[in-house]
Amino acid sequence: GAGVSQTPSNKVTEKGKYVELRCDPISGHTALYWYRQSLGQGPEFLIYFQGTGAADDSGLPNDRFFAVRPEGSVSTLKIQRTERGDSAVYLCASSSRRAGDEQYFGPGTRLTVT
Amino acid sequence: QQQVKQSPQSLIVQKGGISIINCAYENTAFDYFPWYQQFPGKGPALLIAIRPDVSEKKEGRFTISFNKSAKQFSLHIMDSQPGDSATYFCAAKYSGAGSYQLTFGKGTKLSVIP
Repeated sequence: GAGVSQTPSNKVTEKGKYVELRCDPISGHTALYWYRQSLGQGPEFLIYFQGTGAADDSGLPNDRFFAVRPEGSVSTLKIQRTERGDSAVYLCASSSRRAGDEQYFGPGTRLTVT
Repeated sequence: QQQVKQSPQSLIVQKGGISIINCAYENTAFDYFPWYQQFPGKGPALLIAIRPDVSEKKEGRFTISFNKSAKQFSLHIMDSQPGDSATYFCAAKYSGAGSYQLTFGKGTKLSVIP
């Protein structure tokens, strides 16, 4: 079956601009996660959704970052007033159980802030 | 605070050899330990995972060894092949209520030479 999909695959934006990154989880997966992966590092947790609500947003670095999942399926990560330090690969993962032990990742969106 | 420490940072193994990657964790509440494989430009793919109630788990050429008292676990790749060349990440997670994130190591870049 189809895996997690993310769009766009690459995004280049200017410092100060607003960007939206989209994630389509595996069909039927109720849990959805966003991670950020900087060059040469492992993924770092940003936010977790169970259904439509953000159950844990403790990894969001500041209030410029926000994510939504209005219908419990597709999620959008929104970054306001982008900074060069936001450049990274943004990964989305989904899982089928509430505890979400097995997380399946999408290909990521590479964000470059110039 | 780096909760999962991974070594080595890079590894070169000859075709047919055994690749060994080690991880150590600090949080004794962790109870799920997956390994992910990541190729350039792709998202991490779940390879194999273990829970603390067993000391070893084998799937094909991939084996996880787990030492609860030492708070260490390792990935062994038997009969390593050039197609195994990728970056490998260990991770850890607490499955209890209120915690859903994977905590990743920094990764090991494996190169299998013919």
